[in-house]
Amino acid sequence: DAKTTQPTSMDCAEGRAANLPCNHSTISGNEYVYWYRQIHSQGPQYIIHGLKNNETNEMASLIITEDRKSSTLILPHATLRDTAVYYCIVRVDQAGTALIFGKGTTLSVSS
Amino acid sequence: NAGVTQTPKFQVLKTGQSMTLQCAQDMNHNSMYWYRQDPGMGLRLIYYSASEGTTDKGEVPNGYNVSRLNKREFSLRLESAAPSQTSVYFCASRRYGAEQFFGPGTRLTVL
Repeated sequence: DAKTTQPTSMDCAEGRAANLPCNHSTISGNEYVYWYRQIHSQGPQYIIHGLKNNETNEMASLIITEDRKSSTLILPHATLRDTAVYYCIVRVDQAGTALIFGKGTTLSVSS
Repeated sequence: NAGVTQTPKFQVLKTGQSMTLQCAQDMNHNSMYWYRQDPGMGLRLIYYSASEGTTDKGEVPNGYNVSRLNKREFSLRLESAAPSQTSVYFCASRRYGAEQFFGPGTRLTVL
């Protein structure tokens, strides 16, 4: 499995866009990029995932570079409730495959 | 639709005692997972079940056993608890091609 590198922590002002980077330079052609977050020791929550194209849902946008070696998760209007640890995970999408979590990025949103 | 449920929410054991952590999902998912999370760390996979009737070891299986009782239920057993097993345990489930859903966690302390 490809390894990911994320900054340990980031700060963001409430109402501004939060851009969380992730490097995955050894990603394989069939590996997806997944983003999860964990709010204060709750169970992790799925945010978004993608293979090649940029993706958007009601929570966030995922921008994947053309060479797929890095990606950025964008929270367009961060709120205090978005304060959490964000995990970038690279994994093939096969039945039964598990997610391998690193230490993630701690995002702190302040007013 | 309760999603993924875990019992108990909290548990304190003495070294050498045994216990079973219960997990159930009502989303008709094929795959189920057990993770543990130690303070300041990401989640680590203990065991998973790709489908009913199958189980496989994850990253940290020593000291644990699992049972996929049926499609809904996946239990984790500690036969002889040790202080090193003090952790928060998360159960998760998914169907092929979709995201993982996590339970609220069980906080276990072994004295």
